[in-house]
Amino acid sequence: ETGVTQTPRHLVMGMTNKKSLKCEQHLGHNAMYWYKQSAKKPLELMFVYNFKEQTENNSVPSRFSPECPNSSHLFLHLHTLQPEDSALYLCASSHPGGGRSPLHFGNGTRLTVT
Amino acid sequence: AQSVTQLDSHVSVSEGTPVLLRCNYSSSYSPSLFWYVQHPNKGLQLLLKYTSAATLVKGINGFEAEFKKSETSFHLTKPSAHMSDAAEYFCAVNTGTASKLTFGTGTRL
Repeated sequence: ETGVTQTPRHLVMGMTNKKSLKCEQHLGHNAMYWYKQSAKKPLELMFVYNFKEQTENNSVPSRFSPECPNSSHLFLHLHTLQPEDSALYLCASSHPGGGRSPLHFGNGTRLTVT
Repeated sequence: AQSVTQLDSHVSVSEGTPVLLRCNYSSSYSPSLFWYVQHPNKGLQLLLKYTSAATLVKGINGFEAEFKKSETSFHLTKPSAHMSDAAEYFCAVNTGTASKLTFGTGTRL
C-alpha cells in the first residue's frame, strides 16, 4: 500500500475515446502532481496542484485536462489522444511549498493509445 | 536552472558485491537531492534524501549516498547487492521552494 492509489492500472483507448485517470492519496498532503514516464526519457512533470489550485502546467497539450476537486483526489481527463501519448502516467503527492518535501508516488496507469 | 545527469544507463553487479550508481547535478542554489527506486510495474519509492543536513545520508534497504558539493555529485552506494535490488534508480534535484523535482534518466541495476 503506497498511500497513493491510481486507477485503472492499465488502459487501452482509441484516438477518439474519452477516458479519465483517477488518483487518490491518504497521506494528508496538499500538493498533487501528474507525471508522464515514457521509455528512454526522463520523467516529465505535467501538472501541479497546491491546495486544489493549479500552480503548474508544463506546456501540456489541451487533450490532457486535469481536475482536482479536493486535496485528496486528482483526475486526468483524456480525449483525442495520439499514439505518442502512450506511457506510464504517475500521480504523486507531497506537502506543499517545500522543495525539501519528497514526492510520494502511486503505481501508475499504463496507457496505450491505439 | 537545475539538471541531473545519471552517468550510467545500466549497471551490472554480482550478488554480494558493492553497488555504485552515479549522479551529478547542476543547480544555481543549495539543492535538495533525492534517490528513488522503481520496481517493474510500480511507482517510484523514495530511498533517501539530502536537504542540507549531514552530507552522508542513509536510506532504506541499506543504501546510502554522499553529497559532495565540490564535485556536484550525489552517488548512491550499497556495500552488498541483493537480488531484490534489481530495479531502476532515479536521482532527482530540487533547488526551488516548490516541490518541483527534476529527474535523471535512470540507471537500471
